[in-house]
Amino acid sequence: QSALTQPASVSGSPGQSITISCTGTSSDIGTYNYVSWYQQHPGKAPKLMIYDVSSRPSGVSNRFSGSKSGNTASLTISGLQAEDEADYYCSSYTRSSSWVFGGGTKLTVL
Amino acid sequence: EVQLLESGGGLVQPGGSLRLSCAASGFTFSSYVMSWVRQAPGKGLEWVSTASGSGYTTSYADSVQGRFTISRDNSKNTLFLQMDSLRAEDTAVYFCTGKADGYWFFDVWGRGTLVTVSS
Repeated sequence: QSALTQPASVSGSPGQSITISCTGTSSDIGTYNYVSWYQQHPGKAPKLMIYDVSSRPSGVSNRFSGSKSGNTASLTISGLQAEDEADYYCSSYTRSSSWVFGGGTKLTVL
Repeated sequence: EVQLLESGGGLVQPGGSLRLSCAASGFTFSSYVMSWVRQAPGKGLEWVSTASGSGYTTSYADSVQGRFTISRDNSKNTLFLQMDSLRAEDTAVYFCTGKADGYWFFDVWGRGTLVTVSS
C-alpha cells in the first residue's frame, strides 16, 4: 500500500485560506468516505482535525473543513492563524482492511 | 481524562527484539480497536498494526508482517507490540492510537515511545 500523496509544504499569511490536497487511489480514497486529517506540532502526538471526509470533532475550529472528489481529498484552513503552523497528514481506510497515511504537508504561516 | 501511555522503547541492535506497551485509561478500552502507528525521524506517519476490541482479529503492514505481533490484555487495559528481527528501518517513534468500533478514524493518541535500532 503506497502512501497517499500530499504536497511537501504550503504557506499562507495570517487571515488567508490555504488548501492541502491528498491523492490516493480507487483502493482507498476513491472507495471509502473514511478520510481523516491530523495536525501534528513538533514533538507532539497527532490530533484529529477532520474525519469521514468533512466532519469536525468537538472542539476543532470551524476554520477547518474537508472535502473529497474522486481519488483526491482536500483540507482547507480559512482565516489562518499562527497556531495553525504544523504538519498535516491525511489518512484513509483501504480495501486491504488497513490504513494508509499521506507523506505529510508542512504548513508555514508567514 | 482519556489517556494512552506508551513504554518499552529504547536502543536495540539489528536482529534484536523489543516489546512495547500502551496503558489506556479514561475510556472503555475493550470497545476500542487499537493500533500502532510509527514515525521515522523527520518522516511521515506509517500505520503498523491493528487489533480488534477482543484482540482476536489483527492486521499488519507488509513492512512488519511476520516480525511484529500485536496483542492486548483487556483486563489490564493494555496494548502490546512484540517486535522481533528488528531492522534499522524500524527506527521510529511508535504511537499507540485507538478508534471506537464502527468508526474509521483515530481519535485517541499516546505521546509515543522512541525505538532506535542500531549497532
